[in-house]
Amino acid sequence: KAGVTQTPRYLIKTRGQQVTLSCSPISGHRSVSWYQQTPGQGLQFLFEYFSETQRNKGNFPGRFSGRQFSNSRSEMNVSTLELGDSALYLCASSLIMTSGGQSEQFFGPGTRLTVL
Amino acid sequence: ILNVEQSPQSLHVQEGDSTNFTCSFPSSNFYALHWYRWETAKSPEALFVMTLNGDEKKKGRISATLNTKEGYSYLYIKGSQPEDSATYLCASHSGYALNFGKGTSLLVTP
Repeated sequence: KAGVTQTPRYLIKTRGQQVTLSCSPISGHRSVSWYQQTPGQGLQFLFEYFSETQRNKGNFPGRFSGRQFSNSRSEMNVSTLELGDSALYLCASSLIMTSGGQSEQFFGPGTRLTVL
Repeated sequence: ILNVEQSPQSLHVQEGDSTNFTCSFPSSNFYALHWYRWETAKSPEALFVMTLNGDEKKKGRISATLNTKEGYSYLYIKGSQPEDSATYLCASHSGYALNFGKGTSLLVTP
C-alpha cells in the first residue's frame, strides 16, 4: 500500500510570491491534516479536511488556505510569502478523524519551503 | 497546563541503557494521546494511540502509560539500541486537531 506522498519535496520562493503544496493520502483515507514545523517549534497544526470540508483550522493567518478534492487529495496554498513561512510542511492522512481522535495519522515526507 | 510539554528536550544514553520521557498535556477536554517516532530524513511514525486512563501499551522494547486525570504520559525504552535514536513526539488530541509537543531527541551511542 503506497504511503502518503507530497509534492514537491523542496521549493524555493521569494517574498511576496505564492505557493501551492500537494498531498496525496493513503488510498481509502478520507482525513488529511497539514502541519508546519519551524526550527525550535513543534509541529503546528494548520488545518484538517474530511470529505472536502475543512473541519478545523489552527491559529494561522488567512494567507494560509487549503482544499480537498473528491479523491481525498489535498492542496495547501500560502499567498504573499514571508520569510517566516520558511518551514517543513507535513501532511498526514488517517482513515477517519473522529472527534475521539483515536485514528493514528500517517505522515508524508514533507515539503521543505525556503522563502528568500 | 495549556500546551503539550515534553521533557527532557534531549537525551544521550549508552546502548543497553533503559530510558523514559515525559509528556504533559491539558487534562481537560482530553480525547486521545498519540506518540510518534521521527527519525532524521524520514516521516513521523505512529507508536501508540492511547485513550483510557491507566492504559499501558507496548511494542517490542517500547512501552507507554497514560494518566488522563493528572495529564501525563510516560514513554519507556528498555535496553536502548542505536536504531532507537530519533525524536519522540507526543500529541494530545482535542476535537479534530493534534497538538504536538516539541519532542524529546534521543541519541543512543554504542
